[in-house]
Amino acid sequence: EDKVVQSPLSLVVHEGDTVTLNCSYEVTNFRSLLWYKQEKKAPTFLFMLTSSGIEKKSGRLSSILDKKELFSILNITATQTGDSAVYLCASETSYDKVIFGPGTSLSVIP
Amino acid sequence: GAVVSQHPSWVICKSGTSVKIECRSLDFQATTMFWYRQFPKQSLMLMATSNEGSKATYEQGVEKDKFLINHASLTLSTLTVTSAHPEDSSFYICSARGPGAIRETQYFGPGTRLLVL
Repeated sequence: EDKVVQSPLSLVVHEGDTVTLNCSYEVTNFRSLLWYKQEKKAPTFLFMLTSSGIEKKSGRLSSILDKKELFSILNITATQTGDSAVYLCASETSYDKVIFGPGTSLSVIP
Repeated sequence: GAVVSQHPSWVICKSGTSVKIECRSLDFQATTMFWYRQFPKQSLMLMATSNEGSKATYEQGVEKDKFLINHASLTLSTLTVTSAHPEDSSFYICSARGPGAIRETQYFGPGTRLLVL
């Protein structure tokens, strides 16, 4: 059965801290690994990763994929209160199916 | 960028009524649309995948007679929750994928909160 696991499930940090969110996956016909940020409404897209070892970066956020270990991480440096959200990892298959992980709830306190 | 809208954003209905939720891709043609539901503090669960002009593919455990999906055009998909009951109360989110460069990822609508009394 296809599954995506995230850890930790919740995290509380202080502003300025750096956090690393973990995602492991087991899916058949893997195509890509996706990261989303969800606040009160629907998820917003952060990254799509298809190749191992190539870091994708957007401001203070970065992510990398290890296709051998079936693992991805999302890093957030110099966290701000606006980074508080649920971060969802998802794995997409070649059949257009997207399996979401349970999410990591991040709280950044001033 | 690609924009997906959903309507309504909120709906409260009595048990036994049917509720229709619309999902539109505003500035691209969505070859595939997806419907998810999300319970409080849980992740998104894929309900079904629909391609324009063909029947939706439902995930295991999702009743197709209960959740009717129609992808009538390249910019519109509808989800109808038939004879809704309180246990159907949830956050329903659609996403859309288009051809070409837009195909890189799914673009999510803002979601519809359904409360069945």
